[in-house]
Amino acid sequence: EVQLVQSGAEVKKPGESLRISCKGSGYSFTSYWISWVRQMPGKGLEWMGRIDPSDSYTNYSPSFQGHVTISADKSISTAYLQWSSLKASDTAMYYCARLYGDGVDYWGQGTLVTVSS
Amino acid sequence: QSVLTQPPSVSAAPGQKVTISCSGSSSNIGNNYVSWYQQLPGTAPKLLIYENNKRPSGIPDRFSGSKSGTSATLGITGLQTGDEADYYCGTWDSSLSAGGVFGGGTKLTVL
Repeated sequence: EVQLVQSGAEVKKPGESLRISCKGSGYSFTSYWISWVRQMPGKGLEWMGRIDPSDSYTNYSPSFQGHVTISADKSISTAYLQWSSLKASDTAMYYCARLYGDGVDYWGQGTLVTVSS
Repeated sequence: QSVLTQPPSVSAAPGQKVTISCSGSSSNIGNNYVSWYQQLPGTAPKLLIYENNKRPSGIPDRFSGSKSGTSATLGITGLQTGDEADYYCGTWDSSLSAGGVFGGGTKLTVL
């Protein structure tokens, strides 16, 4: 069974750093790209970027380029989403998702990030 | 402002049929497959339709998808109260570096 299991909810202060994770299982982790998707409170889905776990090649949406870093460790089948300096506007649910063709076939359960002073 | 355009909401009575539209352009829907996702309240999205009209294992045939030109449509027949959810279309966009795009989402209310 394919599963993407994400790390737990986080509460941080503005300016702090954070890394959340997404562990894949039940399939060959290096055979499928992983994407990260943001959902702000009460809003829709936003594509942030994607990574090829086989070589860590990444693409970012212009809206997120320079503000987040996507990485992966194929030895432990885990992808990461990282911020060096959080803002209150980063408060959102973040989903990792496995890419299949032109879309996503499996989603993680989501990680809620709350940034508040 | 989402790259793909969906109606904000649709509604219908139990047992009825509803369609949700998704409009894009030649750089996205026009030249790529469309997927549809269902997001029940408080849960992660789930794949409903892929490659325009294919259903993953376990998705009932009450759900269908179609595409024509730069638009796509999700159809749901025999509506049930459990179908109340947000529905998103998604595809690839060759003009964007990150590739993926979603519609703004449509809230389905089963009256």
